[in-house]
Amino acid sequence: EPEVTQTPSHQVTQMGQEVILRCVPISNHLYFYWYRQILGQKVEFLVSFYNNEISEKSEIFDDQFSVERPDGSNFTLKIRSTKLEDSAMYFCASKRTDTEAFFGQGTRLTVV
Amino acid sequence: AQKITQTQPGMFVQEKEAVTLDCTYDTSDQSYGLFWYKQPSSGEMIFLIYQGSYDEQNATEGRYSLNFQKARKSANLVISASQLGDSAMYFCAMREGDRGSTLGRLYFGRGTQLTVWP
Repeated sequence: EPEVTQTPSHQVTQMGQEVILRCVPISNHLYFYWYRQILGQKVEFLVSFYNNEISEKSEIFDDQFSVERPDGSNFTLKIRSTKLEDSAMYFCASKRTDTEAFFGQGTRLTVV
Repeated sequence: AQKITQTQPGMFVQEKEAVTLDCTYDTSDQSYGLFWYKQPSSGEMIFLIYQGSYDEQNATEGRYSLNFQKARKSANLVISASQLGDSAMYFCAMREGDRGSTLGRLYFGRGTQLTVWP
């Protein structure tokens, strides 16, 4: 069964460093999302991406964040200068028009 | 106001019994979708069941059913014949707008931690 794949599963980075989280969505999906979940809290929407551009973003998704689909298969989330409060589980999700969102297994980001 | 409210931080159920996890939602959209996801301790988000706002029948997927009461704006998840492997965090979520919307962001509740005991 096709699935959304995220790498790495766990990333530790120093405060102020740039980090790139990678996702390979399901191949025939058109809509892509990033969510995050701070430990013990609810899942929060970051950004949605369709037709090679951002379609919606939340107030969390500030200038430190960016997304890219560089090669038609990968979908990346970049955090330019990480802060301690960026420590969270980051989920990528994808969907077709007629399906629901399927989530990857998540990347646990720890900022030290 | 919260889009999704889950009032049960934790629930306990004995193996083989049924359990209901509560979810209420708030939206002014006529078209929306309601979802339940399971998050085991390993952290991944597993899609369980979907209910569209225009669906007249309650959704069912195996042992999962969604008790959809539109007038009360509730979308409770019923798990029948609980198994030890059902122990996990369960999140209710909502999408506003049509299924094919280019937006399609999900609003999540705070989750209910379900523990199934033998």
